[in-house]
Amino acid sequence: DAEITQSPRHKITETGRQVTLACHQTWNHNNMFWYRQDLGHGLRLIHYSYGVQDTNKGEVSDGYSVSRSNTEDLPLTLESAASSQTSVYFCASSESMAGWLTGELFFGEGSRLTVL
Amino acid sequence: TQLLEQSPQFLSIQEGENLTVYCNSSSVFSSLQWYRQEPGEGPVLLVTVVTGGEVKKLKRLTFQFGDARKDSSLHITAAQPGDTGLYLCAGAEGSGAGSYQLTFGKGTKLSVIP
Repeated sequence: DAEITQSPRHKITETGRQVTLACHQTWNHNNMFWYRQDLGHGLRLIHYSYGVQDTNKGEVSDGYSVSRSNTEDLPLTLESAASSQTSVYFCASSESMAGWLTGELFFGEGSRLTVL
Repeated sequence: TQLLEQSPQFLSIQEGENLTVYCNSSSVFSSLQWYRQEPGEGPVLLVTVVTGGEVKKLKRLTFQFGDARKDSSLHITAAQPGDTGLYLCAGAEGSGAGSYQLTFGKGTKLSVIP
């Protein structure tokens, strides 16, 4: 069965360190997204990609970067982790749809990051 | 980025009761989705509504998209403990075919007490 997996599921790091969260999908979807989920804020879009070599900034992109070198993977990097980046991070993927139709987002199980 | 207001934020009801969750915006959406999320897991799609005035039913869940495509509601009939979870609405704004971003509401946390 196709799936989307995130790693690590839990990570504790220190302020200033570089952190990379992995996301791998076997759906062969063109679209991939990274969200963060915080109490009181819901899910907020960090970065997204519509295909290989394509990346775009979302609502809360400061301090984060992504790269898309193949269809399956969209790693999220925190260049210099800050306490404000403590959160649960979700990766998602979807098919490209014709016209204005919106495809279903398939989410990973999340990565809980704590920055001390 | 369009803002989506969900209400209520929290809802605790007894098994067998009915409930409605609302999702409102001042902006028009090309489509709107509802997801349900359980603790420790990612959200899972329940439904997508596209046409203004559209009503979709999924067993005991009824989803409605407003005529002006600015709001939506989720009605659950005879709630069961298995309905417990975080319900999220998400509106799509697109920049072209196949290119869109979903903006999520903050969610409604539902607890159904046996």
